Amino acid sequence: GQQVMQIPQYQHVQEGEDFTTYCNSSTTLSNIQWYKQRPGGHPVFLIQLVKSGEVKKQKRLTFQFGEAKKNSSLHITATQTTDVGTYFCAGNTGNQFYFGTGTSLTVIP
Amino acid sequence: KAGVTQTPRYLIKTRGQQVTLSCSPISGHRSVSWYQQTPGQGLQFLFEYFSETQRNKGNFPGRFSGRQFSNSRSEMNVSTLELGDSALYLCASSWAGTGQETQYFGPGTRLLVL
Repeated sequence: GQQVMQIPQYQHVQEGEDFTTYCNSSTTLSNIQWYKQRPGGHPVFLIQLVKSGEVKKQKRLTFQFGEAKKNSSLHITATQTTDVGTYFCAGNTGNQFYFGTGTSLTVIP
Repeated sequence: KAGVTQTPRYLIKTRGQQVTLSCSPISGHRSVSWYQQTPGQGLQFLFEYFSETQRNKGNFPGRFSGRQFSNSRSEMNVSTLELGDSALYLCASSWAGTGQETQYFGPGTRLLVL
């Protein structure tokens, strides 16, 4: 069945360091969305990527969709303590989303 | 615009009981999806409703069921609760659930089964 794997599961970084999480699907995706969930909170939409090879930026966050539309990455430059949380990718095939297992980011001040 | 609301926020039940959770989507949104979130399994898709019809279903046993009303509000029901059903249950709404739209999540219902 459809699987979306995400690595790493946990990441601890010193404030100011960069952070990257990777998302891989077993099948081609129609699009991919990224969400952030703060501790004790609920997932909040960050961005959607649709086109093969697409790259989008939001301030210090850079999102990339692979050429084959089977993988994606989220890169944060110069992390801040406000970046703490779990980042989920969600791959879409048709009407159903398959969420990755998430990467929990801890930023050490 | 009010966000997605879920009730109750917390619930404690015992094995064998049944439970009903409620989700009110953002006004105008017609698609409601339900997810189960556990530390070990992450976010797992339960089902999606659109215009009172279940359009998609995840890999959960028949004990998990849902419905949607004409005002787009949705309920999910879990019968014969098991310890492993302890989780955060999230619902998410979107305009038409095409898979190309933002999903807006509610705060979730945290269920503990003893």
